[in-house]
Amino acid sequence: GESVGLHLPTLSVQEGDNSIINCAYSNSASDYFIWYKQESGKGPQFIIDIRSNMDKRQGQRVTVLLNKTVKHLSLQIAATQPGDSAVYFCAETGLGGSNFGNEKLTFGTGTRLTIIP
Amino acid sequence: EADIYQTPRYLVIGTGKKITLECSQTMGHDKMYWYQQDPGMELHLIHYSYGVNSTEKGDLSSESTVSRIRTEHFPLTLESARPSHTSQYLCASSVGGSLNEKLFFGSGTQLSVL
Repeated sequence: GESVGLHLPTLSVQEGDNSIINCAYSNSASDYFIWYKQESGKGPQFIIDIRSNMDKRQGQRVTVLLNKTVKHLSLQIAATQPGDSAVYFCAETGLGGSNFGNEKLTFGTGTRLTIIP
Repeated sequence: EADIYQTPRYLVIGTGKKITLECSQTMGHDKMYWYQQDPGMELHLIHYSYGVNSTEKGDLSSESTVSRIRTEHFPLTLESARPSHTSQYLCASSVGGSLNEKLFFGSGTQLSVL
């Protein structure tokens, strides 16, 4: 069945270093991918998205890479700051779900990113 | 900053009580959702709505019910709360052409049933 999973449940990074959070997905029909950031006590917040016709997309200090061959997604955060500490979720959606015309997001389990001062 | 609000923020209640979790958004989004999330775990979709008078069950079976009488309001009700309902409930909305694109989430309601 469909699943979205993250390689590591926790990640600790020194402040100022770059972070890489990885995500694997199994649905080859997935065509839209999103990264969310969830800080403690808050709801998830949209960070960046990418469609399957792209390999890379950049935002402010963040880059998402998509490798459709191996069904792998990564989020790179440059020059991490204390405010980057949070749980990061990847999510995917695509045509071919069980409900016709209903492309529902599937969330992974999340990676907790801790920034070490 | 997204304008989607959930109340209450925290709720501790006894078994058997009826509860309603409120969710409102002021963005005029047609699509709204309820997710259930256990600590450190993934989000599971329990209900969603395409618009007024539309309600659908999500992937995770839930004993809760929802209603969508107004565009901006999507309350979730548990007729008889049980300890197994203890969890965080997140409401979200979106305006994208595809269901679930760019969800805007509320801060959640942390429900504890004793």
